[in-house]
Amino acid sequence: EDQVTQSPEALRLQEGESSSLNCSYTVSGLRGLFWYRQDPGKGPEFLFTLYSAGEEKEKERLKATLTKKESFLHITAPKPEDSATYLCAATVGNQFYFGTGTSLTVIP
Amino acid sequence: NAGVMQNPRHLVRRRGQEARLRCSPMKGHSHVYWYRQLPEEGLKFMVYLQKENIIDESGMPKERFSAEFPKEGPSILRIQQVVRGDSAAYFCASSPQGEAVYTFGSGTRLTVV
Repeated sequence: EDQVTQSPEALRLQEGESSSLNCSYTVSGLRGLFWYRQDPGKGPEFLFTLYSAGEEKEKERLKATLTKKESFLHITAPKPEDSATYLCAATVGNQFYFGTGTSLTVIP
Repeated sequence: NAGVMQNPRHLVRRRGQEARLRCSPMKGHSHVYWYRQLPEEGLKFMVYLQKENIIDESGMPKERFSAEFPKEGPSILRIQQVVRGDSAAYFCASSPQGEAVYTFGSGTRLTVV
């Protein structure tokens, strides 16, 4: 069964304290691995797409990496405005399989 | 260039009533997807549509739920005879043809009382 699992479910960091979020996937025929950010009461906002193992993408304090079985979202020196739920999704065919997300809180 | 527009943002229905959720895709996007997000659960795929065609409805419950994307106007997700378990946030996303990058709307939060 195609499945995406994210860990941890929740993460509290002090401002400036770097960490990583994990996304493990077991899907057949992965087309791409996506990261989204979701703020309360809003729709997911696109961050990155990764297509092949070894690929990395960066945007400000975020860097996403991909292996054959998992993806990591590294957050370097986070700020309070980075607080949100981070979702990963694996695409197979026409569908996105979403994980349940990691709720990140960055404390000033 | 407006993003994906969903309305209403909040919808309250009594059990047994009908709910109609609307989604206008981004300009130039011809593919529409509907997802449901239950509390403490991830986004679950429901249906994928192109203009006048349902491409994949494998995530749609077999009864009471239907979706359309007419030649003119927004995509509509229709839920007949709503029950309390239908309470959730319903998100629409759109993409250009041939690209797998979704843009999501802000969702419709359906509450069944």
